[in-house]
Amino acid sequence: GAGVSQSPSNKVTEKGKDVELRCDPISGHTALYWYRQSLGQGLEFLIYFQGNSAPDKSGLPSDRFSAERTGGSVSTLTIQRTQQEDSAVYLCASSLVGAGIGEQFFGPGTRLTVL
Amino acid sequence: QKEVEQDPGPLSVPEGAIVSLNCTYSNSAFQYFMWYRQYSRKGPELLMYTYSSGNKEDGRFTAQVDKSSKYISLFIRDSQPSDSATYLCAMSAGASGGSYIPTFGRGTSLIVHP
Repeated sequence: GAGVSQSPSNKVTEKGKDVELRCDPISGHTALYWYRQSLGQGLEFLIYFQGNSAPDKSGLPSDRFSAERTGGSVSTLTIQRTQQEDSAVYLCASSLVGAGIGEQFFGPGTRLTVL
Repeated sequence: QKEVEQDPGPLSVPEGAIVSLNCTYSNSAFQYFMWYRQYSRKGPELLMYTYSSGNKEDGRFTAQVDKSSKYISLFIRDSQPSDSATYLCAMSAGASGGSYIPTFGRGTSLIVHP
């Protein structure tokens, strides 16, 4: 079956603009995670969804970052008033079992460049 | 100091070599240990998953965990050019430590040349 998909694959934006990144998890996976991967850095956890609720949003770096998940499926990560330090690859993962227990399947990521 | 330390490399080896990749960590609550492989422009994929100390073998791959030294390793035998990728270690504490959400290392870039 289909894996985790993310769109767009690449996004170039100007500083100060808002961006929306989309994640389509594997069908039936109840848990969804967002990570950020900056050049030379490991994956940085941002937020975890179980169904439509977010039990752990401790990794969101500032109030410019928000995320939602609807219908227990698609999730959108929104970054408002983008800054150059937001440039990174944003990865989404989903798992059948939540809370980080189950194997996480990653999408290909969205490469965000803020000019 | 980061919770998980991993040398970014790159590590360049000839085809057929035995590769050793390592991570150290500081959080003694970690008890779930993972290795992910990430090809260029792709998302990470889970390679090995171990619980607590000990060894686990899967084909050409062996994962070792030494909790007393807070040190984990991934060995790749008979390395192939197709093994060229970035290898990320990850670990989590689990319920007793408050979270199963993994903490990742920076990743080690491996190049296996023919």
